[in-house]
Amino acid sequence: DIQMTQSPSSVSASVGDRVTITCRASQPFSNWLAWYQQKPGKAPKLLIYAASSLQRGVPSRFSGSGSGTYFTLTISSLQPEDFATYYCQQANSLPRTFGQGTRVEIK
Amino acid sequence: QVQLLQSGTEVKKPGASMKVSCKVSGDTLTDLSIHWVRQAPGKGLEWMGGFDSDAANTVYTQGLRGRVTMTEDTSTNTAYMELSGLTSADTAMYYCATELAVQGILERAFDVWGQGTMVTVSS
Repeated sequence: DIQMTQSPSSVSASVGDRVTITCRASQPFSNWLAWYQQKPGKAPKLLIYAASSLQRGVPSRFSGSGSGTYFTLTISSLQPEDFATYYCQQANSLPRTFGQGTRVEIK
Repeated sequence: QVQLLQSGTEVKKPGASMKVSCKVSGDTLTDLSIHWVRQAPGKGLEWMGGFDSDAANTVYTQGLRGRVTMTEDTSTNTAYMELSGLTSADTAMYYCATELAVQGILERAFDVWGQGTMVTVSS
Protein backbone atom coordinates (compact mmCIF):
# COMPACT_ATOMS: atom_id res chain seq x y z
CA ASP A 1 0.00 0.00 0.00
CA ILE A 2 1.12 3.55 -0.66
CA GLN A 3 1.27 5.47 2.64
CA MET A 4 0.45 9.17 2.49
CA THR A 5 1.94 11.41 5.18
CA GLN A 6 0.71 14.96 5.54
CA SER A 7 2.52 17.77 7.27
CA PRO A 8 1.94 19.64 9.37
CA SER A 9 -0.79 17.85 11.29
CA SER A 10 -2.18 21.23 12.22
CA VAL A 11 -1.37 24.84 11.44
CA SER A 12 -2.51 28.08 13.03
CA ALA A 13 -2.82 30.91 10.55
CA SER A 14 -4.44 34.31 10.13
CA VAL A 15 -6.80 35.55 7.45
CA GLY A 16 -4.71 36.61 4.47
CA ASP A 17 -1.84 34.24 5.23
CA ARG A 18 -0.36 31.91 2.64
CA VAL A 19 -0.65 28.30 3.80
CA THR A 20 1.08 25.29 2.28
CA ILE A 21 0.26 21.70 3.20
CA THR A 22 2.55 18.88 2.16
CA CYS A 23 1.70 15.29 1.31
CA ARG A 24 4.50 12.76 0.96
CA ALA A 25 3.99 9.34 -0.59
CA SER A 26 5.86 6.18 0.41
CA GLN A 27 6.25 5.28 -3.28
CA PRO A 28 6.50 7.59 -6.28
CA PHE A 29 3.69 8.08 -8.73
CA SER A 30 2.73 10.60 -11.37
CA ASN A 31 -0.38 12.65 -10.75
CA TRP A 32 -3.30 10.61 -9.36
CA LEU A 33 -3.49 12.83 -6.30
CA ALA A 34 -6.54 14.68 -4.98
CA TRP A 35 -7.07 17.20 -2.20
CA TYR A 36 -10.24 17.54 -0.13
CA GLN A 37 -11.52 20.05 2.40
CA GLN A 38 -13.73 18.88 5.23
CA LYS A 39 -15.60 21.03 7.73
CA PRO A 40 -17.04 19.62 10.97
CA GLY A 41 -20.16 17.55 10.42
CA LYS A 42 -19.91 17.80 6.65
CA ALA A 43 -18.84 15.50 3.85
CA PRO A 44 -15.47 16.18 2.23
CA LYS A 45 -15.33 18.58 -0.71
CA LEU A 46 -13.06 18.04 -3.70
CA LEU A 47 -10.63 20.91 -4.27
CA ILE A 48 -7.91 19.58 -6.56
CA TYR A 49 -7.65 16.49 -8.76
CA ALA A 50 -4.84 15.10 -10.88
CA ALA A 51 -2.41 16.85 -8.51
CA SER A 52 -2.92 20.34 -9.96
CA SER A 53 -6.33 20.61 -11.63
CA LEU A 54 -8.74 22.93 -9.86
CA GLN A 55 -12.19 21.44 -9.40
CA ARG A 56 -14.97 23.50 -10.98
CA GLY A 57 -16.33 26.11 -8.59
CA VAL A 58 -13.34 26.06 -6.23
CA PRO A 59 -11.74 29.49 -5.68
CA SER A 60 -8.47 30.12 -7.50
CA ARG A 61 -6.64 30.81 -4.21
CA PHE A 62 -6.38 27.02 -3.93
CA SER A 63 -3.65 25.38 -5.99
CA GLY A 64 -1.94 22.01 -6.09
CA SER A 65 1.39 20.84 -7.40
CA GLY A 66 3.86 18.00 -7.25
CA SER A 67 4.70 14.57 -8.57
CA GLY A 68 6.74 11.58 -7.51
CA THR A 69 6.55 11.45 -3.73
CA TYR A 70 6.02 15.13 -2.93
CA PHE A 71 2.77 17.03 -3.38
CA THR A 72 1.54 20.34 -2.01
CA LEU A 73 -1.72 22.19 -1.54
CA THR A 74 -1.37 25.95 -1.26
CA ILE A 75 -3.95 28.49 -0.15
CA SER A 76 -2.61 31.80 -1.38
CA SER A 77 -4.63 34.08 0.90
CA LEU A 78 -6.50 32.33 3.68
CA GLN A 79 -10.15 33.31 4.02
CA PRO A 80 -12.44 32.78 7.05
CA GLU A 81 -14.29 29.97 5.27
CA ASP A 82 -11.04 28.06 4.69
CA PHE A 83 -10.61 27.02 8.31
CA ALA A 84 -11.14 23.27 8.02
CA THR A 85 -9.31 19.96 7.77
CA TYR A 86 -7.59 19.05 4.52
CA TYR A 87 -6.84 15.57 3.21
CA CYS A 88 -4.77 14.29 0.33
CA GLN A 89 -5.60 11.01 -1.39
CA GLN A 90 -3.60 8.98 -3.84
CA ALA A 91 -5.38 7.00 -6.54
CA ASN A 92 -2.34 5.64 -8.37
CA SER A 93 -2.77 2.17 -6.88
CA LEU A 94 -5.13 0.23 -4.68
CA PRO A 95 -6.07 0.87 -1.96
CA ARG A 96 -6.74 4.55 -2.56
CA THR A 97 -5.16 5.82 0.64
CA PHE A 98 -5.76 9.15 2.35
CA GLY A 99 -3.34 11.21 4.33
CA GLN A 100 -4.10 11.64 8.01
CA GLY A 101 -5.35 15.18 7.57
CA THR A 102 -4.14 18.70 8.30
CA ARG A 103 -6.24 20.97 10.45
CA VAL A 104 -6.08 24.66 9.58
CA GLU A 105 -6.99 26.72 12.62
CA ILE A 106 -7.50 30.39 13.32
CA LYS A 107 -4.49 32.08 14.90
CA GLN B 1 -26.49 17.76 -11.26
CA VAL B 2 -25.81 14.48 -9.50
CA GLN B 3 -26.99 14.12 -5.92
CA LEU B 4 -26.52 11.21 -3.54
CA LEU B 5 -29.02 10.55 -0.75
CA GLN B 6 -28.01 8.05 1.88
CA SER B 7 -30.09 6.04 4.33
CA GLY B 8 -30.41 7.06 7.94
CA THR B 9 -28.55 6.51 11.18
CA GLU B 10 -28.17 2.94 12.40
CA VAL B 11 -27.30 1.30 15.71
CA LYS B 12 -26.10 -2.29 15.51
CA LYS B 13 -25.02 -5.00 17.93
CA PRO B 14 -21.56 -6.55 17.65
CA GLY B 15 -21.59 -9.41 15.18
CA ALA B 16 -24.53 -8.00 13.23
CA SER B 17 -24.56 -6.76 9.64
CA MET B 18 -25.36 -3.34 8.24
CA LYS B 19 -26.52 -2.22 4.80
CA VAL B 20 -26.32 1.42 3.79
CA SER B 21 -28.06 2.71 0.67
CA CYS B 22 -27.05 5.56 -1.60
CA LYS B 23 -29.75 6.75 -4.00
CA VAL B 24 -28.57 8.58 -7.10
CA SER B 25 -30.52 11.42 -8.67
CA GLY B 26 -29.60 13.59 -11.62
CA ASP B 27 -27.82 10.81 -13.50
CA THR B 28 -27.92 7.11 -14.21
CA LEU B 29 -26.13 4.81 -11.79
CA THR B 30 -24.64 2.79 -14.63
CA ASP B 31 -22.88 5.92 -15.88
CA LEU B 32 -21.21 6.53 -12.53
CA SER B 33 -18.35 5.00 -10.56
CA ILE B 34 -19.48 4.78 -6.92
CA HIS B 35 -17.05 4.48 -4.01
CA TRP B 36 -17.47 4.20 -0.27
CA VAL B 37 -15.41 6.03 2.35
CA ARG B 38 -15.76 5.87 6.12
CA GLN B 39 -14.64 8.06 8.99
CA ALA B 40 -14.48 6.93 12.60
CA PRO B 41 -15.38 9.62 15.16
CA GLY B 42 -12.58 12.19 15.37
CA LYS B 43 -10.46 10.29 12.87
CA GLY B 44 -9.44 10.56 9.23
CA LEU B 45 -10.93 9.23 6.02
CA GLU B 46 -10.65 5.58 5.02
CA TRP B 47 -11.38 4.39 1.49
CA MET B 48 -13.39 1.17 1.63
CA GLY B 49 -13.77 0.29 -2.02
CA GLY B 50 -15.56 1.02 -5.24
CA PHE B 51 -15.57 0.54 -8.98
CA ASP B 52 -12.06 0.62 -10.37
CA SER B 53 -11.75 1.34 -14.10
CA ASP B 54 -8.40 -0.43 -14.41
CA ALA B 55 -9.76 -3.61 -12.83
CA ALA B 56 -13.14 -3.09 -14.57
CA ASN B 57 -14.64 -4.37 -11.37
CA THR B 58 -15.54 -3.41 -7.83
CA VAL B 59 -12.52 -3.62 -5.54
CA TYR B 60 -12.28 -3.54 -1.77
CA THR B 61 -9.62 -2.51 0.68
CA GLN B 62 -7.71 -5.53 1.99
CA GLY B 63 -8.72 -4.98 5.61
CA LEU B 64 -12.42 -5.33 4.84
CA ARG B 65 -12.24 -8.06 2.23
CA GLY B 66 -14.58 -10.88 3.10
CA ARG B 67 -16.82 -8.63 5.21
CA VAL B 68 -17.82 -5.93 2.72
CA THR B 69 -20.00 -6.17 -0.36
CA MET B 70 -20.89 -3.26 -2.65
CA THR B 71 -23.80 -3.71 -5.02
CA GLU B 72 -26.02 -1.68 -7.30
CA ASP B 73 -29.72 -1.83 -8.14
CA THR B 74 -30.10 -0.17 -11.50
CA SER B 75 -33.88 -0.39 -11.37
CA THR B 76 -33.95 2.05 -8.44
CA ASN B 77 -30.70 3.89 -9.23
CA THR B 78 -29.40 2.92 -5.78
CA ALA B 79 -26.00 1.69 -4.62
CA TYR B 80 -25.58 -0.39 -1.47
CA MET B 81 -22.72 -1.16 0.90
CA GLU B 82 -23.12 -4.12 3.22
CA LEU B 83 -20.70 -4.83 6.05
CA SER B 84 -20.92 -7.98 8.17
CA GLY B 85 -19.33 -9.14 11.41
CA LEU B 86 -19.54 -5.68 12.95
CA THR B 87 -17.32 -4.67 15.86
CA SER B 88 -16.92 -1.39 17.72
CA ALA B 89 -14.11 -0.55 15.29
CA ASP B 90 -16.75 -0.23 12.55
CA THR B 91 -18.46 2.65 14.36
CA ALA B 92 -18.13 5.45 11.83
CA MET B 93 -19.77 7.83 9.41
CA TYR B 94 -20.11 6.08 6.06
CA TYR B 95 -20.10 8.08 2.84
CA CYS B 96 -20.82 7.14 -0.76
CA ALA B 97 -19.17 9.26 -3.42
CA THR B 98 -18.97 9.43 -7.19
CA GLU B 99 -15.79 9.56 -9.18
CA LEU B 100 -15.21 12.72 -11.17
CA ALA B 101 -15.46 12.30 -14.93
CA VAL B 102 -13.99 14.97 -17.18
CA GLN B 103 -14.95 14.61 -20.84
CA GLY B 104 -15.85 11.01 -20.15
CA ILE B 105 -12.56 10.15 -18.48
CA LEU B 106 -12.54 9.12 -14.83
CA GLU B 107 -10.16 11.34 -12.88
CA ARG B 108 -9.90 9.11 -9.75
CA ALA B 109 -11.18 11.81 -7.43
CA PHE B 110 -14.52 11.98 -5.64
CA ASP B 111 -16.53 15.04 -6.64
CA VAL B 112 -20.03 14.31 -5.32
CA TRP B 113 -20.61 12.92 -1.83
CA GLY B 114 -23.63 11.69 0.03
CA GLN B 115 -24.56 13.33 3.31
CA GLY B 116 -23.18 10.41 5.30
CA THR B 117 -24.75 7.63 7.37
CA MET B 118 -23.70 7.28 10.99
CA VAL B 119 -23.44 3.69 12.15
CA THR B 120 -22.80 2.92 15.81
CA VAL B 121 -21.87 -0.59 16.89
CA SER B 122 -22.55 -1.13 20.56
CA SER B 123 -23.79 -3.86 22.84
